[in-house]
Amino acid sequence: NAGVMQNPRHLVRRRGQEARLRCSPMKGHSHVYWYRQLPEEGLKFMVYLQKENIIDESGMPKERFSAEFPKEGPSILRIQQVVRGDSAAYFCASSLKGGANTDTQYFGPGTRLTVL
Amino acid sequence: AQSVSQHNHHVILSEAASLELGCNYSYGGTVNLFWYVQYPGQHLQLLLKYFSGDPLVKGIKGFEAEFIKSKFSFNLRKPSVQWSDTAEYFCAVNPDGNNRLAFGKGNQVVVIP
Repeated sequence: NAGVMQNPRHLVRRRGQEARLRCSPMKGHSHVYWYRQLPEEGLKFMVYLQKENIIDESGMPKERFSAEFPKEGPSILRIQQVVRGDSAAYFCASSLKGGANTDTQYFGPGTRLTVL
Repeated sequence: AQSVSQHNHHVILSEAASLELGCNYSYGGTVNLFWYVQYPGQHLQLLLKYFSGDPLVKGIKGFEAEFIKSKFSFNLRKPSVQWSDTAEYFCAVNPDGNNRLAFGKGNQVVVIP
């Protein structure tokens, strides 16, 4: 009965490198959400995806950030040319039905990204 | 700007004391409300949620929360805390019936044995 899985749990990158964060939703869930938590801040919504579709990316930075949720495999949050300000905890959540309006989002353990 | 506010970011109390954490939001219209907890070294877990119906919601581990629409509040309470309640508590609001959750900054609660 696996919950939401994220890997890696910790990721260290140098400025200018790429970071790839993976999220496997709970079994049977086809809705995935990514959130970012900066130090001393609450979680901020980034993007909402269903299989092969980006539904809402209103919280994504306009440059360097992208997300996908392919038909097979985990959802990927990709950060190109990382900068120190990208250092944060990135959380993935999944839900059975679409949108938080009628369903609960279950969270993974997060990936803590440190940019040197 | 629309927001979710949690006050008293750091709370320290002794076992058996009562706990109340405030949550206020500034979104209008219909909202769904959540409290999540993050124990040390663990991921966010759902404590309780309010979608509709009885505004007094019972959650896991003896927690409850009351939705007061006129005050735009969803405060979390527990009558008698235990050391194992040491954690960070996040209030979250789903505004306008859309898919994203808006979180408060969290309350770091430390219970002293």
